[in-house]
Amino acid sequence: EDQVTQSPEALRLQEGESSSLNCSYTVSGLRGLFWYRQDPGKGPEFLFTLYSAGEEKEKERLKATLTKKESFLHITAPKPEDSATYLCAAHRGAYKYIFGTGTRLKVLA
Amino acid sequence: NAGVTQTPKFRVLKTGQSMTLLCAQDMNHEYMYWYRQDPGMGLRLIHYSVGEGTTAKGEVPDGYNVSRLKKQNFLLGLESAAPSQTSVYFCASSYSGTGGLGTEAFFGQGTRLTVV
Repeated sequence: EDQVTQSPEALRLQEGESSSLNCSYTVSGLRGLFWYRQDPGKGPEFLFTLYSAGEEKEKERLKATLTKKESFLHITAPKPEDSATYLCAAHRGAYKYIFGTGTRLKVLA
Repeated sequence: NAGVTQTPKFRVLKTGQSMTLLCAQDMNHEYMYWYRQDPGMGLRLIHYSVGEGTTAKGEVPDGYNVSRLKKQNFLLGLESAAPSQTSVYFCASSYSGTGGLGTEAFFGQGTRLTVV
């Protein structure tokens, strides 16, 4: 069964304390791995797409990486404004995205 | 640059009432989706459409109907609302992609629906 699991469920960091969020997937025929940021009361906002193992994408303090079994979202020197829920989704073709339940990140000043 | 727009943003229904949620996108995307988001369960696909005039069932379609009469609009209907349909509903759209690869979905701001 296709599945996406994110860990940890929640993470509290001090400002400047780097860490990583994990997205493990078991999806046959992966057609893309997507990361989103979701703020309270808002819709998910697209961050990155990864297609191949070994691929990396960066944006400001965020870097996403992909292996054949998991993806990581690395957050370097986070700031309070990085606090949000981060979602990952695997695309297995046939218009199907499989979403994880997210990691709630709180960055303390 | 509107992207994906959902109306309404909030709604309270009584059990048995009906309503329609409207989604509009201005990116000329072929694919459109309706999801519901519940605590601890992630986003679950209700129905989707791969083009004007086409719709298909997703993961949790029971109790919902959809229509896509125009490419830019995707409507979600609840015929007889139940408390179990209390949720946050998101519409999304995406390009069809090339070479079999998926493309990112763009989401609306959500509709918070409470059924009492």
